[in-house]
Amino acid sequence: KAGVTQTPRYLIKTRGQQVTLSCSPISGHRSVSWYQQTPGQGLQFLFEYFSETQRNKGNFPGRFSGRQFSNSRSEMNVSTLELGDSALYLCASSPDRGSYGYTFGSGTRLTVV
Amino acid sequence: GDSVTQMEGPVTLSEEAFLTINCTYTATGYPSLFWYVQYPGEGLQLLLKATKADDKGSNKGFEATYRKETTSFHLEKGSVQVSDSAVYFCALSQVGSGGSNYKLTFGKGTLLTVNP
Repeated sequence: KAGVTQTPRYLIKTRGQQVTLSCSPISGHRSVSWYQQTPGQGLQFLFEYFSETQRNKGNFPGRFSGRQFSNSRSEMNVSTLELGDSALYLCASSPDRGSYGYTFGSGTRLTVV
Repeated sequence: GDSVTQMEGPVTLSEEAFLTINCTYTATGYPSLFWYVQYPGEGLQLLLKATKADDKGSNKGFEATYRKETTSFHLEKGSVQVSDSAVYFCALSQVGSGGSNYKLTFGKGTLLTVNP
């Protein structure tokens, strides 16, 4: 059974640009969540999607957005990149209820220069 | 809001030593509790979980018991190996409490280094 796949693994962008990250969940998983990991702030929740609907959103500015497609694949977009957006972005999938636990991908390492 | 507090370390042990990483939480309702592990350059792996009070999660020699009276979920292993060196995260999720809090709230992580 394939795991959670995130692409690309590494990305370097310039301040002011925008970026799109992709996540393919485990087959059959309908919930996809996104997290930002930085040395200073640790792991912070960005948003969660289920059946193409955003169910929950963290405390991030509107520059951070996401969506989920009918096949449960998800993308997140960050516009007008800032240096502070440099982080490891992790995607996690779950069948539905979080009590099953979430399976994480290997992440996308975004560096903003 | 919900929060998780865990010892930040770093923790350095010799092989075969006993490991305890403390984790306490603050949450309304009845959260599910998790331990995740992160190896260098990788994402998070679910190590174990417990979904109700007094449940014991266990995996690969690691154990943790959901203690509602002390709001704790301490991670233990009787004999650590060099391959256990990683960052360990305690986390909670409020799913199942009737709310819409479909997310994990993490502690800051504890770096464990095991020396041969």
